[in-house]
Amino acid sequence: EADIYQTPRYLVIGTGKKITLECSQTMGHDKMYWYQQDPGMELHLIHYSYGVNSTEKGDLSSESTVSRIRTEHFPLTLESARPSHTSQYLCASTGENPVRNAGELFFGEGSRLTVL
Amino acid sequence: KQEVTQIPAALSVPEGENLVLNCSFTDSAIYNLQWFRQDPGKGLTSLLLIQSSQREQTSGRLNASLDKSSGRSTLYIAASQPGDSATYLCAVRAGTYKYIFGTGTRLKVLA
Repeated sequence: EADIYQTPRYLVIGTGKKITLECSQTMGHDKMYWYQQDPGMELHLIHYSYGVNSTEKGDLSSESTVSRIRTEHFPLTLESARPSHTSQYLCASTGENPVRNAGELFFGEGSRLTVL
Repeated sequence: KQEVTQIPAALSVPEGENLVLNCSFTDSAIYNLQWFRQDPGKGLTSLLLIQSSQREQTSGRLNASLDKSSGRSTLYIAASQPGDSATYLCAVRAGTYKYIFGTGTRLKVLA
């Protein structure tokens, strides 16, 4: 069972609001990821992190920002939400131990964001 | 550039059938291949992980195989059930941090 948690699961907010999507994992994984996925569509990587104080932008340009101050925590922030940000955001993590499971990706349940 | 393709895009079968889902990738230099299940509006659930040195993995009614030389993986589901209805995705680990996902196969098992 994956120990990776996302909150909130659902969020409906108005345009211009600042939002933070939380992601935490208790597996001690060094690598964490944020993906964006529209219904029935493919996943797009928007941010990833190798470890504490290490963050990189992904393949899909995003106005969101991330931070990694603690190993277990990888929050995503939108300073000013717009309707175009409406989507599902999925957090994932992976590590290299145990070796037989090295690189296995675990996902949270997702945060569905609707911006009115 | 690594590309991952899943065929078919959608599949509808009667309950009890054995079925095979296909995943193809263009570059054989992969670290591993992973199969996931995704229910509507939910995250991805890991089903099976095959490291690059392995040929297959099994879990219950699921069996996944990997043939790196031909760039193919198959997910075999035995005795399908309505509860197996979901979207199935494969992903290859193409680098230290990089994962490439297929577009998925939407499976519907009819009671």
